[in-house]
Amino acid sequence: AQKVTQAQTEISVVEKEDVTLDCVYETRDTTYYLFWYKQPPSGELVFLIRRNSFDEQNEISGRYSWNFQKSTSSFNFTITASQVVDSAVYFCFLEGYNQGGKLIFGQGTELSVKP
Amino acid sequence: DAGVTQSPTHLIKTRGQQVTLRCSPKSGHDTVSWYQQALGQGPQFIFQYYEEEERQRGNFPDRFSGHQFPNYSSELNVNALLLGDSALYLCASRSLREQETQYFGPGTRLLVL
Repeated sequence: AQKVTQAQTEISVVEKEDVTLDCVYETRDTTYYLFWYKQPPSGELVFLIRRNSFDEQNEISGRYSWNFQKSTSSFNFTITASQVVDSAVYFCFLEGYNQGGKLIFGQGTELSVKP
Repeated sequence: DAGVTQSPTHLIKTRGQQVTLRCSPKSGHDTVSWYQQALGQGPQFIFQYYEEEERQRGNFPDRFSGHQFPNYSSELNVNALLLGDSALYLCASRSLREQETQYFGPGTRLLVL
């Protein structure tokens, strides 16, 4: 079975704090992609990052960084020095390739950054 | 370069009615996927179209059907609407040949009364 778990339903931080959003996945596929999307109140899902199952290199993009660990089936997302504009719902997403290409979102983590 | 567009933006229907939602993919994309997102939930995959054929399908009843046209645009049809069909319907497009990331449209908010 394929599953994506985002255990943190809501997180509230004060501006400039660092925050980490957790994502744990289950899949029997050996080839898969993991994604993070941001959904602001407008509703449109904004692509943040994609990693494939063969590339465990961590990535940093400005204030955003991602930690992919196959050993623990986790793909965590850290925002450094959070800003009010980071307030949104963040989704982790799994796309499997070996069993017909299953597409599964986590339940989302609502991040609230207060000034 | 226009991104993924969807129409209409909002829609109100009554139980038992039928609805058609439309999606135009990003230029250069050949694959369209549809998702249903209920309030407070993550999007749920409905189905995906490639080369005018349904390539794969999630756990949705036959009341949900779709179509892809030669210009790669797509429609989602829902028959015999239920109150529980009220949701944000998201369309995403990608280039399957290029194995690109999928990009999402702004969605259509459907309210069933």
